[in-house]
Amino acid sequence: KAGVTQTPRYLIKTRGQQVTLSCSPISGHRSVSWYQQTPGQGLQFLFEYFSETQRNKGNFPGRFSGRQFSNSRSEMNVSTLELGDSALYLCASRLEVGTSFFLNTEAFFGQGTRLTVV
Amino acid sequence: QQQVKQSPQSLIVQKGGISIINCAYENTAFDYFPWYQQFPGKGPALLIAIRPDVSEKKEGRFTISFNKSAKQFSLHIMDSQPGDSATYFCAAGRGDKLIFGTGTRLQVFP
Repeated sequence: KAGVTQTPRYLIKTRGQQVTLSCSPISGHRSVSWYQQTPGQGLQFLFEYFSETQRNKGNFPGRFSGRQFSNSRSEMNVSTLELGDSALYLCASRLEVGTSFFLNTEAFFGQGTRLTVV
Repeated sequence: QQQVKQSPQSLIVQKGGISIINCAYENTAFDYFPWYQQFPGKGPALLIAIRPDVSEKKEGRFTISFNKSAKQFSLHIMDSQPGDSATYFCAAGRGDKLIFGTGTRLQVFP
């Protein structure tokens, strides 16, 4: 069974540009969450999508947005890039079966997209 | 209310020793407490998790100790090995949201 796939693995962008990152969850998983990982701040929650709807959102500016498609694949977009946006962006997928909370909660992470803003 | 505080930031342990990482949370509504292990260049992977109705869970060399009244939980790695060298994240969650600690970089020297 394939894991969570994130593309691209590495990206270099210039300040002011915009970027789109992609995440393909594990087959059958409908929940996709995005996290920003930086050395000083650890893993910061960006947002979560379930069945094409944003279900939760972290404390990030509106420049960070996302969407989810009917096949559960998700994209994250960052507009007007700033130097501080340089980070590892991680996507995690979860299976929800509706009854078992504990089984519902395990998040499987992709390897991430390393974004460098210069 | 949403924070999870993790310590220490870094930890150096000799092979065969015990590694202990601590976390504290504030929101009493949290009912799922996982630990993730992350190697360089990889995404975090679930190591072990606990629910608040038990005080301890052991899987091989890894043990979670949970203190509900103190709102603290910790990861113990017994007989630490160089292959355990990684960054460890605790997390606390409820429903569909997980709040992560800031991570502990563990280095195990032979």
